[in-house]
Amino acid sequence: AQSVAQPEDQVNVAEGNPLTVKCTYSVSGNPYLFWYVQYPNRGLQFLLKYITGDNLVKGSYGFEAEFNKSQTSFHLKKPSALVSDSALYFCAVRDGADKLIFGTGTRLQVFP
Amino acid sequence: AAGVIQSPRHLIKEKRETATLKCYPIPRHDTVYWYQQGPGQDPQFLISFYEKMQSDKGSIPDRFSAQQFSDYHSELNMSSLELGDSALYFCASSLRDGYYEQYFGPGTRLTVT
Repeated sequence: AQSVAQPEDQVNVAEGNPLTVKCTYSVSGNPYLFWYVQYPNRGLQFLLKYITGDNLVKGSYGFEAEFNKSQTSFHLKKPSALVSDSALYFCAVRDGADKLIFGTGTRLQVFP
Repeated sequence: AAGVIQSPRHLIKEKRETATLKCYPIPRHDTVYWYQQGPGQDPQFLISFYEKMQSDKGSIPDRFSAQQFSDYHSELNMSSLELGDSALYFCASSLRDGYYEQYFGPGTRLTVT
């Protein structure tokens, strides 16, 4: 069965510093990986995806993610964090034709 | 750009009542998905429809049913509500062909008292 793990419940970073939110995956076959962000009382917003091709994927709002097959990881990164980036981040893997399997989420707190 | 529309945004029901949640996908999207997110939890896949036919089924209770209509909107019907059904219910839509991302609506917060 497909699964993703987010080992950190919370990540704290100072504004202007680089941030990393970790995700590891376990899949059979090729992984189709996604990052979503959820602000309080809001729906999930798509950030980026990895289907195939370049291991460095660029997404919305300056976020990028690095796909690493040997480490089975898909970490989300941003060179310079903003206070407004503070939110709940979910890594997800596509399972079958439709469903997304989400990780448990990582709360990112960016301090001014 | 048009987004996924869900109604109502908030719903309060009592135990054993029924609830109907509606979802209007992004225009031209042919696939609709329903997810349930309990308090402090990650979203859990319930069910999906492609071209008005059920496509995949997840951990959806037998008390719940859903369908997609000719105009592609979808409804999630929940009967004999239990306290544990209190959650955020998200609808998402996408194009089916290829590996398109799912776009999520704002969610319906269901509270069962």
